[in-house]
Parts: sequence; C-alpha cells; structure tokens
Amino acid sequence: EDQVTQSPEALRLQEGESSSLNCSYTVSGLRGLFWYRQDPGKGPEFLFTLYSAGEEKEKERLKATLTKKESFLHITAPKPEDSATYLCAVQAYSGAGSYQLTFGKGTKLSVIP
Amino acid sequence: DSGVTQTPKHLITATGQRVTLRCSPRSGDLSVYWYQQSLDQGLQFLIQYYNGEERAKGNILERFSAQQFPDLHSELNLSSLELGDSALYFCASSEGTGTSGANVLTFGAGSRLTVL
Repeated sequence: EDQVTQSPEALRLQEGESSSLNCSYTVSGLRGLFWYRQDPGKGPEFLFTLYSAGEEKEKERLKATLTKKESFLHITAPKPEDSATYLCAVQAYSGAGSYQLTFGKGTKLSVIP
Repeated sequence: DSGVTQTPKHLITATGQRVTLRCSPRSGDLSVYWYQQSLDQGLQFLIQYYNGEERAKGNILERFSAQQFPDLHSELNLSSLELGDSALYFCASSEGTGTSGANVLTFGAGSRLTVL
C-alpha cells in the first residue's frame, strides 16, 4: 500500500528563519510527487511536480527536492504570508489503468512576524 | 479563483438524511475527482470520472455515489448520513485521465458538511 508521511506535523518559524519540511514515501511505480499549499477554508493549491530523483524546482522562497525515498520543501527567509498547510502527494498506479494521488496529512507552517 | 466551482460551501444536516454536492470543473478539463478531508485522515480519494464515465474508485462508501453529466459537471450524493461523514468534500479537475503522465489536479474551495 502506498504511504506518504510528512514531518513535522506543525512548524513555527520566525520571519526570515529558513527551514525544511519532509515528505517520505513508499510507493510502487512513482509517476510524480506533488506539493500543494492549503490555506484555511480553501482547497489545495498546486505548487510543484517532481518526477525523478535529483530533480529540483523553485518558486519564490520555496524549493522542492526529490530523492528515491523522500522529498524536501525548503523555505528560505519565510514571510508571514507563507503560513499555510503544505501537502505532499504521490501519484502512482492504483489498478485498472488508473493513477491516483495519495496525500500525506500535511505540515502546518506558521511564520511569526 | 481556481476555476473549479463547488456548491454549497456549507451544509448542515441530520443523521439519516441525504445530501448532494455539486462541482463544475475548470474549463477544458474532462476529469473530475472527489476527495474527503477530515481532521484525522487527511485527503482521501473517493472517485474519479472522465468524460462522463467512472474511471477509478477509492475509499468510497456504498452509501455514497457520484455521476458526471454531459456538460461535465459532477454531483456527489451522500445518503444515510452518519456523524462520521462530517468533513470537507473537495472536487478537483484535470485535463486528462492521468494515465499518460503525471496529472496536475486543480481543486475547488470545498463543501463543508456537518452532520448533527
């Protein structure tokens, strides 16, 4: 069974204090690893897709990296507006020609001014 | 605005009742997905439709059913509701089926269901 584990569950940072969120996964036949951001009361918003080990993608203060067993979301000099829950998901074969996303439970990030 | 529209935003009902949640996908997207998000379980995949046909099933209860109509909007029907069905229900859409490559899903804002 595909598994996605995110850590920590919650993270409080001072504005400007860089850190990393972890997503470890166990899956057969990875198609892609996704990072989403979810604000309270809203749906998840797509950030990145990573396809193979060694791949990196950046967007503003966020940088996502991928290894064969885990992915990291690095946040450099975060601002209060980066506060959100960050979700990791893996897309893998789920049978009958279907590929579905399995989500982790997320890391709730709070950036304090 | 993601382009995926869900109604209603909030719904309060009693145990044993039946409700219908509605989703209009982003323009041009043919696949619709339904997810359930509860505090302890995270986002759980329920069901996928592609161009009107059921494509994949996840952890969907027999009391729940869905369909996608010719105009591509979808409805999720929840019946014989129980307290444990209280959750956020998200609809997402994508252009393809996800079989030819990694598939980016665009999510709606969700429908919050409270069962009393």
